[in-house]
Amino acid sequence: NAGVTQTPKFQVLKTGQSMTLQCAQDMNHNSMYWYRQDPGMGLRLIYYSASEGTTDKGEVPNGYNVSRLNKREFSLRLESAAPSQTSVYFCASSARDRETQYFGPGTRLLVL
Amino acid sequence: AQSVTQLGSHVSVSEGALVLLRCNYSSSVPPYLFWYVQYPNQGLQLLLKYTSAATLVKGINGFEAEFKKSETSFHLTKPSAHMSDAAEYFCAVSDYGGSQGNLIFGKGTKLSVKP
Repeated sequence: NAGVTQTPKFQVLKTGQSMTLQCAQDMNHNSMYWYRQDPGMGLRLIYYSASEGTTDKGEVPNGYNVSRLNKREFSLRLESAAPSQTSVYFCASSARDRETQYFGPGTRLLVL
Repeated sequence: AQSVTQLGSHVSVSEGALVLLRCNYSSSVPPYLFWYVQYPNQGLQLLLKYTSAATLVKGINGFEAEFKKSETSFHLTKPSAHMSDAAEYFCAVSDYGGSQGNLIFGKGTKLSVKP
């Protein structure tokens, strides 16, 4: 039982490049989330998916897209990376609304 | 709208001393409240949560928090700090603002423990 896994662990991009961050959970959770963490800012929600087939914007969605591929997987795509997207990205999942969220180990992204 | 304020971005205590990390929340409905811990270069891990049962909630690693509705607070305490408690701690409140139960996180408090 791996919980929440994220790939890659670390990535360096040049401005304008695209990439997809992958997230998978093996806890049969309905809800999944993408956050970004920046120093002094706490965690800010980018997108979430309350259930398979649905996605909604969070606090900071600009510059990102998501896909809930199936119940297990929730990917985050940067179409044209910008230096402002340099951050640590966390995926999380929960059984249902208001339940405990379980976090992955994070992806450190550096955009030059 | 719900919000969370953590007082003090950095708290330093001596090993064996009391740990007190402060969290105040704003919510128009009875909230669910959470404390998470993040060790360096790791994801967040749940310490404890309040879901309207007992107001004193016990968590892992000897931490506990007390829900005080009159003060809109949910402070985290531990009687005796250990070096391994050095980490960043996040308070969170469940969000009812149409976003289906997501969590609103505070900005975090970094705890240092001196030998």
